[in-house]
Amino acid sequence: SQQGEEDPQALSIQEGENATMNCSYKTSINNLQWYRQNSGRGLVHLILIRSNEREKHSGRLRVTLDTSKKSSSLLITASRAADTASYFCARYNTDKLIFGTGTRLQVFP
Amino acid sequence: KAGVTQTPRYLIKTRGQQVTLSCSPISGHRSVSWYQQTPGQGLQFLFEYFSETQRNKGNFPGRFSGRQFSNSRSEMNVSTLELGDSALYLCASKVTGDNEQFFGPGTRLTVL
Repeated sequence: SQQGEEDPQALSIQEGENATMNCSYKTSINNLQWYRQNSGRGLVHLILIRSNEREKHSGRLRVTLDTSKKSSSLLITASRAADTASYFCARYNTDKLIFGTGTRLQVFP
Repeated sequence: KAGVTQTPRYLIKTRGQQVTLSCSPISGHRSVSWYQQTPGQGLQFLFEYFSETQRNKGNFPGRFSGRQFSNSRSEMNVSTLELGDSALYLCASKVTGDNEQFFGPGTRLTVL
């Protein structure tokens, strides 16, 4: 499968805790993106990290990229109940956007 | 600026029927892509249209087809529906040359 693998598949935490999701992929990339999906609805773009970047921040989000290990991680700090959603990494492969398997995050108030 | 819209939002069909889903991209976005999302297979790329031409196609049978109109609106069609076609169908648009895709809310298709 061309899909990336994400782990964990599911994650449950309390509000205020940090959540870390990991993504691994198989082919070389120019960039890697992270998207969020709320309960079976459309996806929302969160952040893009380029292959020459190692870390990128956006608000409470921090993304790291290790091209030698073909892996990326998304860290959400000080999580809120509203962060409850599925999170997907995605990369382009021959101009097709390929999504990972996703991590379902549940944040309990 | 209005977001990506998809119609209808929900659809129930029976096996053997055909269905047409519609997507209106964000104004100025000429690239439209379609994805199928199922619990078993996850998010899978169906096809991409740009300037009324199919630019990329995923690994789906010929029963899945699409088109794009001169105003960039796109439709996808699934003929001879099978139970396994039950899924959330997502449409996304983007600016040419950009990487970020903007998704619509999806059409949930149930095949009985």
